[in-house]
Amino acid sequence: EDQVTQSPEALRLQEGESSSLNCSYTVSGLRGLFWYRQDPGKGPEFLFTLYSAGEEKEKERLKATLTKKESFLHITAPKPEDSATYLCAVTTDSWGKFQFGAGTQVVVTP
Amino acid sequence: NAGVTQTPKFQVLKTGQSMTLQCAQDMNHEYMSWYRQDPGMGLRLIHYSVGAGITDQGEVPNGYNVSRSTTEDFPLRLLSAAPSQTSVYFCASSYSGTGKPQHFGDGTRLSIL
Repeated sequence: EDQVTQSPEALRLQEGESSSLNCSYTVSGLRGLFWYRQDPGKGPEFLFTLYSAGEEKEKERLKATLTKKESFLHITAPKPEDSATYLCAVTTDSWGKFQFGAGTQVVVTP
Repeated sequence: NAGVTQTPKFQVLKTGQSMTLQCAQDMNHEYMSWYRQDPGMGLRLIHYSVGAGITDQGEVPNGYNVSRSTTEDFPLRLLSAAPSQTSVYFCASSYSGTGKPQHFGDGTRLSIL
């Protein structure tokens, strides 16, 4: 059975304190791994797509990496506005079908 | 360009009632999906569609029906509401093809008493 597991469940950071979020997956035939950000009361917002092991993508203070078993979302020198829940999702047999992890709730304090 | 629009935003139902959650997108996306989000469980796929007239089940389809008669609309029907269906429901859409990300609506918060 395909599984997507995110850790930790919650992360509290001081402003400027860099850290990493983990998304591990056990699926057959990964087509793509996606990272989303979700603010309270809103729908998820797309951040990155990764396709193959070794791939990296960056956007402002966020950097996503992918290996054959897991993906990391690195947050460098976070600011309070980076506080959100970060979700990862995978697609396998169809680009229209996604499986999400439970998310990591990040709180960045000044 | 409104993106993905979900209505209603909030709804309270009694056990056994039926209702339809509406989802519309104006981006001409081929793919559309319905998810439910419960605390600590992330987003779970209910049903999805890869085009008008084509739907398929996701991870948690029981108690829900969908149809896709047009590209723009993808309604979700609760046939006989149960307290276990209390959740936040999200609709999403995307272009077909490699790596196209989903665009989400802001959700419908549904309580079943």
